[in-house]
Amino acid sequence: AQSVTQPDIHITVSEGASLELRCNYSYGATPYLFWYVQSPGQGLQLLLKYFSGDTLVQGIKGFEAEFKRSQSSFNLRKPSVHWSDAAEYFCAVGAHPVGGGNKLTFGTGTQLKVEL
Amino acid sequence: SAVISQKPSRDICQRGTSLTIQCQVDSQVTMMFWYRQQPGQSLTLIATANQGSEATYESGFVIDKFPISRPNLTFSTLTVSNMSPEDSSIYLCSGIGDRAHEQYFGPGTRLTVT
Repeated sequence: AQSVTQPDIHITVSEGASLELRCNYSYGATPYLFWYVQSPGQGLQLLLKYFSGDTLVQGIKGFEAEFKRSQSSFNLRKPSVHWSDAAEYFCAVGAHPVGGGNKLTFGTGTQLKVEL
Repeated sequence: SAVISQKPSRDICQRGTSLTIQCQVDSQVTMMFWYRQQPGQSLTLIATANQGSEATYESGFVIDKFPISRPNLTFSTLTVSNMSPEDSSIYLCSGIGDRAHEQYFGPGTRLTVT
């Protein structure tokens, strides 16, 4: 069974500082990995995704993530955080669409607080 | 990308009653899903809404409690039946469109059961 671990429940960074949110996954085949952001009272917005190819993927809002198969990780990074980045971030792993049904398994989320 | 709307955005219901949540997508999607997000927790998949046939439920979720309909490619409903306070959650629908794997989410329905 697939699973996702986000070891950091809360993270606080200063505005302008760099950010890294950790995500580790467990999946028996090639994973399809995603990062979503959820602002208060809002639905989930897709930040970026990894399917194959280049292991460093770029997303929206200046975010990037690096897939490391040897470490089963897909950490999210941003070089300079803005106050508007304060939100909850979810890492998710999905099954292959052929036969997998695109089901997503989510991590427990990391709440990001940005100090001005 | 697909834009997904949900109605109602929030509701407060009494135990023992039922609530039907509507999910509308602005374009055809191949697959639709319903998730539950309990307070302070992550999202858990309830079921896959299948067009014109019975939904496919995940372990721990049953049709009698969470009946789902999907009469066409852009609309689905989830009913939370015989509610109890433990059903207080945010319920989100999602859809996958032309670009496989890009799953888009609605804003959620915040349900409080008293």
